[in-house]
Amino acid sequence: NAGVTQTPKFQVLKTGQSMTLQCAQDMNHEYMSWYRQDPGMGLRLIHYSVGAGITDQGEVPNGYNVSRSTTEDFPLRLLSAAPSQTSVYFCASSSSGTGRETQYFGPGTRLLVL
Amino acid sequence: RKEVEQDPGPFNVPEGATVAFNCTYSNSASQSFFWYRQDCRKEPKLLMSVYSSGNEDGRFTAQLNRASQYISLLIRDSKLSDSATYLCVVNWGSDYKLSFGAGTTVTVRA
Repeated sequence: NAGVTQTPKFQVLKTGQSMTLQCAQDMNHEYMSWYRQDPGMGLRLIHYSVGAGITDQGEVPNGYNVSRSTTEDFPLRLLSAAPSQTSVYFCASSSSGTGRETQYFGPGTRLLVL
Repeated sequence: RKEVEQDPGPFNVPEGATVAFNCTYSNSASQSFFWYRQDCRKEPKLLMSVYSSGNEDGRFTAQLNRASQYISLLIRDSKLSDSATYLCVVNWGSDYKLSFGAGTTVTVRA
């Protein structure tokens, strides 16, 4: 099993550009989520999904969209990149969404917005 | 007030030493507690769950104090490989959202 994979590993954008961060898991997990990690702060939840076709907002959803058309994939779209979105983005999955299971994280995408 | 607060450290300890640190959480309804480990520029990985009665996993011991709303992690006989940032993670009651602390950095020196 590859676990949780993310692409790209690094990305540089200009303000106003859009892009999609890819996330995939091969563990047949129902629950997937996106976090951002900034220096001196804990991971903050952007969006999450409890299953295919179902998504919801987390703590910091503004400027991001998600969709979940399959169990495996959970892409994160930046609509119009801003310097405040410079961060490290982690995708995570777990077998269900009760909050009691292990979260499996992808290796992260480092994004710089100029 | 942050939902989960941790002393950022760093805790610099020699090999073989014992190091311990706490994490406080604000939501008294929280039910699940975890310690994750994050190596530099890598993804977080589960170190251990924290149970009400306290639990050990080798050299690591986790405790939960619900009355004072904190959890602790103790590392005995520190190894160089224990150098990492330790993230305290708490769920919000019946909701599956997780709150992450900013992490406590531990550096073990030879």
